[in-house]
Amino acid sequence: QAQLVESGGGVVQPGRSLRLSCAASGFIFSRYGIHWVRQAPGKGLEWVAVIWYDGSSKYYADSVKGRFTISRDNSKNTLYLQMNSLRVEDTAVYFCAGSGSSGWYVPFDYWGQGTLVTVSS
Amino acid sequence: EIVMTQSPGTLSVSPGERATLSCRASQSVSSNLAWYQQKPGQAPRLVIYGASTRATGIPARFSGSGSGTEFTLTISSLQSEDFAVYYCQQYNNWPPMYTFGQGTKLEIK
Repeated sequence: QAQLVESGGGVVQPGRSLRLSCAASGFIFSRYGIHWVRQAPGKGLEWVAVIWYDGSSKYYADSVKGRFTISRDNSKNTLYLQMNSLRVEDTAVYFCAGSGSSGWYVPFDYWGQGTLVTVSS
Repeated sequence: EIVMTQSPGTLSVSPGERATLSCRASQSVSSNLAWYQQKPGQAPRLVIYGASTRATGIPARFSGSGSGTEFTLTISSLQSEDFAVYYCQQYNNWPPMYTFGQGTKLEIK
């Protein structure tokens, strides 16, 4: 069955950078788009970014556009999120999430367990 | 941007009773609407997609309805494991932007 495992979270100062990873297994990673979703402490879910199955298209939430970059390495079955110019309001648990269906208009069938990013001085 | 609004914010229901959760979109999302369940410390879990199709492994007491801008998640005969926060999400935008509602906390009365 599909499994996603995030890593790379931690405590970072405002203005600094961090890179998250999401290792996928149990499905053909290279066939499907995949997302990052975040959740600030005690708050709701916020979609962050999506990348097409082959990496050819990427889209971002306005709140992270120009600061975050989503990428993937299909040879390693791994998704990444490069986060630059971090702000206190980026503090959240970051989930990767994927779908068992191809295309843009699909729900998120499976999720990782999340990795916590804390931006604080 | 499509805004998703859920109501109520908190719903108190007794086990064995029915719960009805609402979600409204600021513009039509057709049937591209999903519901997720999230328990404390856990990742969200897909419950309903396509507005009315149960995800794999979801019990028949969960049902979804609606299209366009008005959607409902109904849980008949609540079980203890159903008490959680529920989020609706639209996946109908172009360019892609998968907005979530703010969530409804379903708590034991």
